[in-house]
Amino acid sequence: DVKVTQSSRYLVKRTGEKVFLECVQDMDHENMFWYRQDPGLGLRLIYFSYDVKMKEKGDIPEGYSVSREKKERFSLILESASTNQTSMYLCASSLPRGRQETQYFGPGTRLLVL
Amino acid sequence: AQSVTQLDSHVSVSEGTPVLLRCNYSSSYSPSLFWYVQHPNKGLQLLLKYTSAATLVKGINGFEAEFKKSETSFHLTKPSAHMSDAAEYFCVAPKNYGGATNKLIFGTGTLLAVQP
Repeated sequence: DVKVTQSSRYLVKRTGEKVFLECVQDMDHENMFWYRQDPGLGLRLIYFSYDVKMKEKGDIPEGYSVSREKKERFSLILESASTNQTSMYLCASSLPRGRQETQYFGPGTRLLVL
Repeated sequence: AQSVTQLDSHVSVSEGTPVLLRCNYSSSYSPSLFWYVQHPNKGLQLLLKYTSAATLVKGINGFEAEFKKSETSFHLTKPSAHMSDAAEYFCVAPKNYGGATNKLIFGTGTLLAVQP
């Protein structure tokens, strides 16, 4: 059974803190994605990775960075958290383009920045 | 530019009555299309997927969707709503940008409420 896990369900951080969100998938997928979800805006792509150590900016990368040192793990880093980064963060993974476009999602991390 | 439009942000139905969640897409070609469902405080789960094999697609939990190229629509339906169907539903299309990865375009979501 497909599984994508995220390290925390809820997180509370202070402005200026460095925040790490971890995502692990057990499906040997090449592609991994980080999204943020805000009411009325749907999901917006922050960063994605198509292979180990490879990454590309999504639609809203400002204020974020990512790390993919192992195939199964994709980390989202907020270098200096700000209140406008309060959101729900969703990780997803998939096989490469042309093989299977379905993305499988984790349960999400709800981040509150005070 | 490609886009996915969900025509209703909120839909409320009574248990046992039909569900219709509307989605229109804009694209210069016939895309793949997906519906995902998100239950409260959960991640997104694939409900069904259209990949040009058949215009009527059946998904999980009794949902289905029909791809209509002439109307550029991919509406989601269910004959009889159940309380457990209360969730947010997203219409999704792959982004045609020629890159190596399957980026997706998400609609803004439709929140379905089911009244007893």
